[in-house]
Amino acid sequence: AAGVIQSPRHLIKEKRETATLKCYPIPRHDTVYWYQQGPGQDPQFLISFYEKMQSDKGSIPDRFSAQQFSDYHSELNMSSLELGDSALYFCASSSPRPNTGELFFGEGSRLTVL
Amino acid sequence: SQQGEEDPQALSIQEGENATMNCSYKTSINNLQWYRQNSGRGLVHLILIRSNEREKHSGRLRVTLDTSKKSSSLLITASRAADTASYFCATDTTGNQFYFGTGTSLTVIP
Repeated sequence: AAGVIQSPRHLIKEKRETATLKCYPIPRHDTVYWYQQGPGQDPQFLISFYEKMQSDKGSIPDRFSAQQFSDYHSELNMSSLELGDSALYFCASSSPRPNTGELFFGEGSRLTVL
Repeated sequence: SQQGEEDPQALSIQEGENATMNCSYKTSINNLQWYRQNSGRGLVHLILIRSNEREKHSGRLRVTLDTSKKSSSLLITASRAADTASYFCATDTTGNQFYFGTGTSLTVIP
């Protein structure tokens, strides 16, 4: 079965550079969530989209922005990168409501800021 | 953590023993879910318990929920070396944001 696809899997950037992460949800899933997980930390909710509209916002820095496109894929744009942005970034999707409430996660994009 | 704490932070047991992890959360929830994560990998959904349920089973997993205490526990029975992973609880408050606890790192020794 198709899973959540994230790209790139690994990314190395310099401080103050910009990075874009992409997420392709499971087909027919209409909600996408972004999480940031630092080393040894729990996943921190950043932002979610439902039917291409921003749904909820968590701890997403102002330097980050995200959107969901007409084909339901989502992109997380990160600017003015800082060392502390180094983390695993996960995307998850969920099926249309009424649903089981289960989140399906991708394998993550590992961002390293030097 | 954005939502709550899990304890213990680390647990080491022998294969065949049971493992119990606890999760506490802060706000009212629609449901609570448990996820497993192997190092550096994505999270995998294990089980969901709704706010009006008190206990749920799935294979070797047993989850309890006490909404009055805002806490949940995950019991893994007859543990196997392959159960070695980090386990996180996640709470659904609005349906569009899921907050994770701090996680328990489980090591099952063969």
